[in-house]
Amino acid sequence: AAGVIQSPRHLIKEKRETATLKCYPIPRHDTVYWYQQGPGQDPQFLISFYEKMQSDKGSIPDRFSAQQFSDYHSELNMSSLELGDSALYFCASKKLNSGVEEKLFFGSGTQLSVL
Amino acid sequence: KQEVTQIPAALSVPEGENLVLNCSFTDSAIYNLQWFRQDPGKGLTSLLLIQSSQREQTSGRLNASLDKSSGRSTLYIAASQPGDSATYLCAVHRGSTLGRLYFGRGTQLTVWP
Repeated sequence: AAGVIQSPRHLIKEKRETATLKCYPIPRHDTVYWYQQGPGQDPQFLISFYEKMQSDKGSIPDRFSAQQFSDYHSELNMSSLELGDSALYFCASKKLNSGVEEKLFFGSGTQLSVL
Repeated sequence: KQEVTQIPAALSVPEGENLVLNCSFTDSAIYNLQWFRQDPGKGLTSLLLIQSSQREQTSGRLNASLDKSSGRSTLYIAASQPGDSATYLCAVHRGSTLGRLYFGRGTQLTVWP
């Protein structure tokens, strides 16, 4: 079965550079969430989209922006990268109002290292 | 703000033991609760989802219970195996179906042969 696809798998950037992370949800899923997980930390919610509109916003820095496109894939754009942005970034998707089971399916993540 | 706490932080057991992982949350206004498994450097795999109206869910050797009024959930793993070694995360889905997940820090489980 198709899963949530994230690219790239690993990314190394220098301070003050920009990065773009991509997320391709499971087909027919209309909701996408982005999470950031620092080393040894629990995942922190960044932002979510439903039907291409932002549905919720968490602790996402102003240097970051995200959007969901017409084909439901999403991109997280990160500018002026800082050392503290080094983390595993997860994307998750689900189909809203799909019935009793509304599990959130996670991708394998993008490991971002800022040097 | 929803706070999710998991106890213990780490657990090391011999193969074959039955074990219980605990999760507590501060706000009982949840939509559902999910248990995830995370292998080192990998993504999150959903194990069980319990709707707020449900009491428990079972899948194979896993059983999760939910007591919404007391803000608690437990994950029971029967006859543990070395392949069960991973970090187990509890996450509560706040409010409505569009709500975000709040995660605990996880329980790092090691099952030795």
